[in-house]
Amino acid sequence: QLQLQESGPGLVKPSETLSLTCTVSGGSISGSNHYWGWIRQSPGKGLEWIGSMDYSGISYHNPSLKSRVTISVDTSKNQFSLRLSSVTAADTAVYYCARGRQIRDPWNVFDIWGQGTTATVSS
Amino acid sequence: EIVLTQSPATLSLSPGERATLSCRASQSVSSYLAWYQQKPGQAPRLLIHDASYRATGIPARFSGSGSGTDFTLTISSLEPEDVAVYYCQQRSSWLTFGGGTKVEIK
Repeated sequence: QLQLQESGPGLVKPSETLSLTCTVSGGSISGSNHYWGWIRQSPGKGLEWIGSMDYSGISYHNPSLKSRVTISVDTSKNQFSLRLSSVTAADTAVYYCARGRQIRDPWNVFDIWGQGTTATVSS
Repeated sequence: EIVLTQSPATLSLSPGERATLSCRASQSVSSYLAWYQQKPGQAPRLLIHDASYRATGIPARFSGSGSGTDFTLTISSLEPEDVAVYYCQQRSSWLTFGGGTKVEIK
């Protein structure tokens, strides 16, 4: 049974970079043609798609986040990661990783989710 | 960006009643609309994709309909475990979510 688990520091200072990792178990990222995504949820903005990537490194991200987002994959560890630079209090949220339901399709719904990890931006 | 507007904000019904939730898109999303259920402290759970297809393991009391800009999620007979916030999501142009409808039991 496929499971996803987010990890990362719970507290980040303003202007620094938030780094999160999603570890996939029960299945292989490289053996799959799915896209893997990051979604966040804050009280002020609800659910917001951050970006998605496939095992080869092809990625798409929300244009509203401009160039602050980097998504990468480490197939040897069966993990994918999110880096969000120049964070502000507005980036405080619960961050989820999730699997895109349909293979080879970056524009997807998400059928398997991690439990989420809270990231707080504060000095 | 396609904006999804959900209504009502809160729906309060008795067990066994029919729940009707609405999601309206700012422009046509064809049938590329999904519904999620989120219970407190949990991640969203996919219920419906492509407007009307139930995801794996979803009870038959959940159904979706609509196309273009107007969509509906129906819970045919509300169960106590259906208390949650329900979100719609479109995948026609990038990915965006609606603001949610909270379903409560009277």
